[in-house]
Amino acid sequence: GQNIDQPTEMTATEGAIVQINCTYQTSGFNGLFWYQQHAGEAPTFLSYNVLDGLEEKGRFSSFLSRSKGYSYLLLKELQMKDSASYLCAVSTTGGGNKLTFGTGTQLKVEL
Amino acid sequence: GAVVSQHPSWVICKSGTSVKIECRSLDFQATTMFWYRQFPKQSLMLMATSNEGSKATYEQGVEKDKFLINHASLTLSTLTVTSAHPEDSSFYICSARESTGADSPLHFGNGTRLTVT
Repeated sequence: GQNIDQPTEMTATEGAIVQINCTYQTSGFNGLFWYQQHAGEAPTFLSYNVLDGLEEKGRFSSFLSRSKGYSYLLLKELQMKDSASYLCAVSTTGGGNKLTFGTGTQLKVEL
Repeated sequence: GAVVSQHPSWVICKSGTSVKIECRSLDFQATTMFWYRQFPKQSLMLMATSNEGSKATYEQGVEKDKFLINHASLTLSTLTVTSAHPEDSSFYICSARESTGADSPLHFGNGTRLTVT
């Protein structure tokens, strides 16, 4: 089976930096995605990592360590609109490269 | 960018009836689509992988006779919740990829909020 863990909730201040961690145990690892989901809406794609290292995309960066089964999403210059759920998802080979989602981290950005 | 359209966005039905949810890829063809279910404040749970022209692949614990999936064309997959009960009330979301590569992200429909009374 697969195990994907994230903290349930986090709170941060507007303008600050926050790091959301994700650990996973899986077989047939094929990459890791981060998605953002606002309440009542569909998830939207943020980033993809398959090789070790940091991928930067504007205010958002994502890091992966395959040997440690670990990833994080870094959000800089937090804005109120960043309050949302952040989902870590692992892609595995077979079955059309299906994505299995982690438990999700609810981020609250405060003034 | 890739667009996935899901319909209806919400539906209320009586216990014992069936509900059909449609998922369309609007500007690309998808040989594979994925159906997820999400309970309030929980993550997305993969229910099944819909394969164009062949049978769907269901995840462990998902009743294939209850959640009927049909993927008759490269742009349309349907999920039918048969003999719905209140415990089937949930948020159902479909998704698809533009290409089969592992680095191709899933694009999600806007979801269907099903309430069974």
